[in-house]
Amino acid sequence: QVNLVESGGGLVKPGASLRLSCAASGFTSSDYHMSWIRQAPGKGLEWVSYIESSGDTIFYADSVKGRFTISRDNTKNSLYLQMNSLRAEDTAVYYCARGRSWNALDFWGQGTLVTVSS
Amino acid sequence: DIQMTQSPSSLSASVGDRVTITCRASQNINTFLNWYQQRPGRAPKLLVYGASSLRGGVPSRFSGGGSGTDFTLTISSLQPEDFATYSCQQSFGTPYTFGQGTKLEIK
Repeated sequence: QVNLVESGGGLVKPGASLRLSCAASGFTSSDYHMSWIRQAPGKGLEWVSYIESSGDTIFYADSVKGRFTISRDNTKNSLYLQMNSLRAEDTAVYYCARGRSWNALDFWGQGTLVTVSS
Repeated sequence: DIQMTQSPSSLSASVGDRVTITCRASQNINTFLNWYQQRPGRAPKLLVYGASSLRGGVPSRFSGGGSGTDFTLTISSLQPEDFATYSCQQSFGTPYTFGQGTKLEIK
């Protein structure tokens, strides 16, 4: 069955970097586009970034553009989010999710918590 | 960016009630509208995609409708497991914005 497992979250200071990973199983990741979505404590969902199945097309939310980089390694069925220059407002649970028709997100990981605090 | 506005922000209802949640887009998004359910401490789950297509395995008491800028998610007869937060998301154009969520609580 489809399974997505995020890792790499933690507590970091403002200005630090962190790299999140998302390990996919149960499907051929090269057939699907993927996204990162985050949720600040007690807040709603915020779409962060998208990467097309081959990795050729990438989009970012304005709030992370220039600081975050999405990538994927289809040979390892893995998705990544490199986060640089972290700010307190980046504190959130970060989810990876698989995209399907209509760009809907049909499978989500359990999330990994990123806390940015001095 | 396309803004998504849900109403109400919270809703109290009883088991067996019929409830409708509304989502409005700031511009025409055709039917690129998806609905998610999220229980506390859990990841969101896709319920409806393309405005009205029910994802496989989702109970038929859930239904989605609308096109253009106005959309609805209806639960025909609330069950105890339906008390959760529901969020809409437009997937017409990036950023793929979400609504602020509607928290459905037990009356």
